[in-house]
Formats: sequence, structure tokens, C-alpha cells
Amino acid sequence: GAGVSQSPSNKVTEKGKDVELRCDPISGHTALYWYRQSLGQGLEFLIYFQGNSAPDKSGLPSDRFSAERTGGSVSTLTIQRTQQEDSAVYLCASSPPSGGADTQYFGPGTRLTVL
Amino acid sequence: DAKTTQPTSMDCAEGRAANLPCNHSTISGNEYVYWYRQIHSQGPQYIIHGLKNNETNEMASLIITEDRKSSTLILPHATLRDTAVYYCIVRPIDNYGQNFVFGPGTRLSVLP
Repeated sequence: GAGVSQSPSNKVTEKGKDVELRCDPISGHTALYWYRQSLGQGLEFLIYFQGNSAPDKSGLPSDRFSAERTGGSVSTLTIQRTQQEDSAVYLCASSPPSGGADTQYFGPGTRLTVL
Repeated sequence: DAKTTQPTSMDCAEGRAANLPCNHSTISGNEYVYWYRQIHSQGPQYIIHGLKNNETNEMASLIITEDRKSSTLILPHATLRDTAVYYCIVRPIDNYGQNFVFGPGTRLSVLP
């Protein structure tokens, strides 16, 4: 079946501009996660949604970052007034509504470059 | 704080079995062992997970020691496309919504 998809795959923007990154989770998956990965670094957790609610927003790096999820499906991560340090690959993952093991399935990521 | 220890890198000959070790000596009874891999420029890919028993799927086998303090991921017939960074992660059962904490992993190079 279809996996997690993200768009755009690449985004180049100028410092100070706003960007929106989109994530389409696997159909039926209730949980959705955003991470980012800077060049050569590990994954940094940003935010998690259960349905349309985000119980914990503490991972967002600053108030320039926000995320929303509608209809329990698509999520958008918005970065306002982008800075060069925001350059990274932004990864989305989703997981099914099963108890016990919460296996996350990742999308291909959006590579953001802020000039 | 990744709760696992893995070798930084390993080489494996194409067609041979790749055995990737992981130490998780502080694992709790309610924690799973997960394995993911990340091929260059792609998102992490789920491989397998287990609690106590050994597990096998179409991608790999997971051998967990009886005391659960270590495990080994086995790729039975490695191919060049298996070259990637492999991550061993421990994560609590029923801790839905907790993010995965990826350590540095093991960089596996499959050589022709």
C-alpha cells in the first residue's frame, strides 16, 4: 500500500520567508510525528499528533514553528521567518492505532535549504 | 539519550550474512527492541522489532539474548542495497506517542 508521502521533496527559500511542509500519513494511521535531521546528525523530535490534537509541543525549536493536522489525516508544518539554521531534512512518520508496539513509518522527507 | 550501544561501522561481503550487534544492558521489562535503517538521503525504514522472543520477517531476523541485554540483527544475504546506517532503539510498550530516539547507529557497508 501507499506509504507516508511528503511534499515538496525539496524546498529552497530565502531567509525571512515563510514555508509550509506537508505530510500525508498512511491511511488509517492515527498518530503522526514530525522530526528534523540536520546534515550528518541524528533525528530531532519536533511534535506528535494523536488525531488532530498535539499533546506535546515542547519539541518545537521556537515560536516560529507551528504544526496542524486536519481531519485526522494531512499535517502541515509551518516555519515563519525562516533562518539559515532551519536548513535540514524534515521527516514525517505515522503509526497505526494498535496497542503495545507503536511502530512508526517514515516518509522520504522534505529537504529545506534556507539561503 | 539513546539507551543502546552499537559499533560505529561494519563491513560485510555481498551475499554473506550481516550480523549487527546492539547492547542495551539497561533495558526494562516493558521495553521493545526496534531496528530501523536509513539509506543515504532517505527517511528511516522500519525493519523489525521484538520483546523477548526471536523474530523473523521478510527483511531480517532479530535475536534477543535471554537476559535481553543485547540483540543481533541478521540480514541473511546482504546486498549492495543494504548499505545504510542501522539503528537499534529501545522503547516502552504502550508509550504511544513517544518519539523514537535515534543514536548514531552502525554504518554497514556491503562490499562487492
